[in-house]
Amino acid sequence: SQTIHQWPATLVQPVGSPLSLECTVEGTSNPNLYWYRQAAGRGLQLLFYSVGIGQISSEVPQNLSASRPQDRQFILSSKKLLLSDSGFYLCAWSVLGEQYFGPGTRLTVT
Amino acid sequence: EDQVTQSPEALRLQEGESSSLNCSYTVSGLRGLFWYRQDPGKGPEFLFTLYSAGEEKEKERLKATLTKKESFLHITAPKPEDSATYLCAVQAGGAQKLVFGQGTRLTINP
Repeated sequence: SQTIHQWPATLVQPVGSPLSLECTVEGTSNPNLYWYRQAAGRGLQLLFYSVGIGQISSEVPQNLSASRPQDRQFILSSKKLLLSDSGFYLCAWSVLGEQYFGPGTRLTVT
Repeated sequence: EDQVTQSPEALRLQEGESSSLNCSYTVSGLRGLFWYRQDPGKGPEFLFTLYSAGEEKEKERLKATLTKKESFLHITAPKPEDSATYLCAVQAGGAQKLVFGQGTRLTINP
C-alpha cells in the first residue's frame, strides 16, 4: 500500500530564516506530487505541483520554491521566511486523479 | 476559470439529524469530482470520486451524488464522530491539478 510522509510535523522559525520541508511517498512509481498551504479556517491553496523528476509548476508567485530530486521526493524551500508564510503545509500525491494527502507540517514564523 | 463553491460554510446538527452539504462547480470538461474529510490538524482524507452526472457513491452514513452543476454529500443519522470539515474538489479534463472549495465545517452535537 502507498504511504506519504512529511517532516517535520511542526516548525517554529524566525522571520528571515531559511526553510526546508520534505515529503516522500512509498509504494507507487512516477506519482504527481503537490504542495498546498492552508491558512487557519481556510481552504487549500495549491503552491506547486510536479509530474516528474525536475519538473515543477508554480501556481502562486511568492518567496517559496520546490524541487523534486527523486521520483518520490518533493521538497519545499525558502531562502528567507516571511510572517505571511505561516500556515499548515500539505503534500499530496496522485496517479489517476484523486489526491492523497500527508499528515502536514504546521509552520509558525515568528 | 474553474470554480468550486461549497455551502453552507458551517453546519451544526443534532446527533441523528440527517442533512446535506452542497458543492456547486463550473469546470471545463469535468474529469472527476472528489470529496474529502479533514479533521483539525490533519491532512484531508479521501472519501469519494464521482465521474459523471447521475453517479452515486456510499460509505457508511455518507452518500455522494453528482449532477451536471453540483454535488451533494448526504449525511444520514450522523454521529459526533462525523464532525469534521468536508472538502469538495474538481478536476478538469487534461488538468493535473484539483480545484478545491473552501469546505463545510460540520459539527454533530450529542
